[in-house]
Amino acid sequence: GDSVTQMEGPVTLSEEAFLTINCTYTATGYPSLFWYVQYPGEGLQLLLKATKADDKGSNKGFEATYRKETTSFHLEKGSVQVSDSAVYFCALTGTGGFKTIFGAGTRLFVKA
Amino acid sequence: NAGVTQTPKFRILKIGQSMTLQCTQDMNHNYMYWYRQDPGMGLKLIYYSVGAGITDKGEVPNGYNVSRSTTEDFPLRLELAAPSQTSVYFCASSYPIRTGGRGANVLTFGAGSRLTVL
Repeated sequence: GDSVTQMEGPVTLSEEAFLTINCTYTATGYPSLFWYVQYPGEGLQLLLKATKADDKGSNKGFEATYRKETTSFHLEKGSVQVSDSAVYFCALTGTGGFKTIFGAGTRLFVKA
Repeated sequence: NAGVTQTPKFRILKIGQSMTLQCTQDMNHNYMYWYRQDPGMGLKLIYYSVGAGITDKGEVPNGYNVSRSTTEDFPLRLELAAPSQTSVYFCASSYPIRTGGRGANVLTFGAGSRLTVL
């Protein structure tokens, strides 16, 4: 079945550092890919998405590119802020489907 | 708009008790879901619904039941609570979007319900 694997955390960075959180997936057909973010005490919210190969999703300075050849959707940000401290989830929805499969989540701590 | 509203936010149950987690959405979404979040395990799908009167099992349905009598409401029932059901529960709803000819399903989550079974 479909699955998502993302790097284990926690990831601890200093403010203004470069962020990469790796995500790879297994799926048949052409899934849609997502990054969701969960701030402390809140539910998940959509950060960005990509629906086809080579698409780049972006939001709030975060970016991720849908790489079908490597089945990856790595999350990047050039300069993190303390307010980016949260848990980040990579996710996919299979072709024609409506059920979303989530990775285990990566906790990010950003120090001032 | 309120979005997705879950109640209660916190609850402590004794083993064998029953309870219902309430979920309401005001976005007229057809699809609704219940997930549970365990530490370091991501989110696991318990049940989902594609519209009023239609529900189906997800990955981890045992010990739970759902109903969907209206588009807005999707309650989750726990019968005979067990310590293994200690978790944070999230309700979500979704709408399909089309971008560049491709479909995607974007979830809107509630704030979560933290349940402890002792």
